[in-house]
Amino acid sequence: DAGVIQSPRHEVTEMGQEVTLRCKPISGHNSLFWYRQTMMRGLELLIYFNNNVPIDDSGMPEDRFSAKMPNASFSTLKIQPSEPRDSAVYFCASSLRQEQYFGPGTRLTVT
Amino acid sequence: DQQVKQNSPSLSVQEGRISILNCDYTNSMFDYFLWYKKYPAEGPTFLISISSIKDKNEDGRFTVFLNKSAKHLSLHIVPSQPGDSAVYFCAAPPGGTSYGKLTFGQGTILTVHP
Repeated sequence: DAGVIQSPRHEVTEMGQEVTLRCKPISGHNSLFWYRQTMMRGLELLIYFNNNVPIDDSGMPEDRFSAKMPNASFSTLKIQPSEPRDSAVYFCASSLRQEQYFGPGTRLTVT
Repeated sequence: DQQVKQNSPSLSVQEGRISILNCDYTNSMFDYFLWYKKYPAEGPTFLISISSIKDKNEDGRFTVFLNKSAKHLSLHIVPSQPGDSAVYFCAAPPGGTSYGKLTFGQGTILTVHP
């Protein structure tokens, strides 16, 4: 079975540009999570969905960040406009029960 | 307020010896705990879990112990292998039947020397 798929794996963009990160969860999982990892803050949850509905977005840093899950097999995390402090590795994870399964991450660099 | 804490940022162990990674928690509602392993440039990988109805769970070289009264859990790796070198995170979901978001510890970097 394929695991969680994320694209792109690496993204380099200039400040002010829009960035869209994509995630395909494991088939059959009903929860999807977006995380950000930085050296300063470690692994922090941004938002999570259950049955395609956003449940908790309290970790989303500010209005520049938005996430959608139009169906059970796809989610996006958008940053508009991007800033250098958004540089981090962004992980998507999915779960059916307590165990979450992570994708390989997208390394975002905003110059 | 860090509800899950890993107080040792790093641990260095000789190959073949035991590695013990520790984790403390403050939220008495937590009733399920997970350990994840993370290699550089990869996402965290689920390793082993334990329910609060147990005090030990074993899977091959990996054993997790839970001491509810002390709000402490530990991961034992025996024998340690160089391939075990990674960052280890403990995590806990909300208590009860909720599956929701995991609260992660800060992680411990394990280095196993040949």
